[in-house]
Amino acid sequence: SQKIEQNSEALNIQEGKTATLTCNYTNYSPAYLQWYRQDPGRGPVFLLLIRENEKEKRKERLKVTFDTTLKQSLFHITASQPADSATYLCVWNAGNMLTFGGGTRLMVKP
Amino acid sequence: SQTIHQWPATLVQPVGSPLSLECTVEGTSNPNLYWYRQAAGRGLQLLFYSVGIGQISSEVPQNLSASRPQDRQFILSSKKLLLSDSGFYLCAWRKQNTGELFFGEGSRLTVL
Repeated sequence: SQKIEQNSEALNIQEGKTATLTCNYTNYSPAYLQWYRQDPGRGPVFLLLIRENEKEKRKERLKVTFDTTLKQSLFHITASQPADSATYLCVWNAGNMLTFGGGTRLMVKP
Repeated sequence: SQTIHQWPATLVQPVGSPLSLECTVEGTSNPNLYWYRQAAGRGLQLLFYSVGIGQISSEVPQNLSASRPQDRQFILSSKKLLLSDSGFYLCAWRKQNTGELFFGEGSRLTVL
């Protein structure tokens, strides 16, 4: 079955630095990868989607890359702020199948 | 605009009791609907998804069931809850052209 791996350890960074989160998948590449943000006790909120034929996608301070050779997506937050502290989820998507990674918790310290 | 609501937000139930969680979507027709469960500190586990009225696909064998009696209504049920059913349950609908998911507020279930 498809496995989506995200670093389960929390990522602690200083305010203003760039946060980089990793998502690795096994087996075959999806049609696209999605990234969500989840705050404690809330449902995930969609952030970005990148298709298999796209190498990079940007939205304000967010950037996502997709490398089908490495079977990896990287999620970057530039000029990070304490308000960016949350859990970030990677989602492998092909057709009706969506598989969530376990998420990586990001802590941005002032 | 589209909205999704689920209830109740919180419930505490004894082992062996029944369960009913309800989810409704407004502002869209024939949505793909999903039920996920999230255990504490874990990722989301897909339980059921539905592409239309009466059409339910189950991803994980368990004592839970789902029904879709109306186009924009999705219900998660159990006849007898187990301790392991405790968790955070999330309903979601999926946007057809982009594939992104929109989640409800979540229902936190504690089985004692």
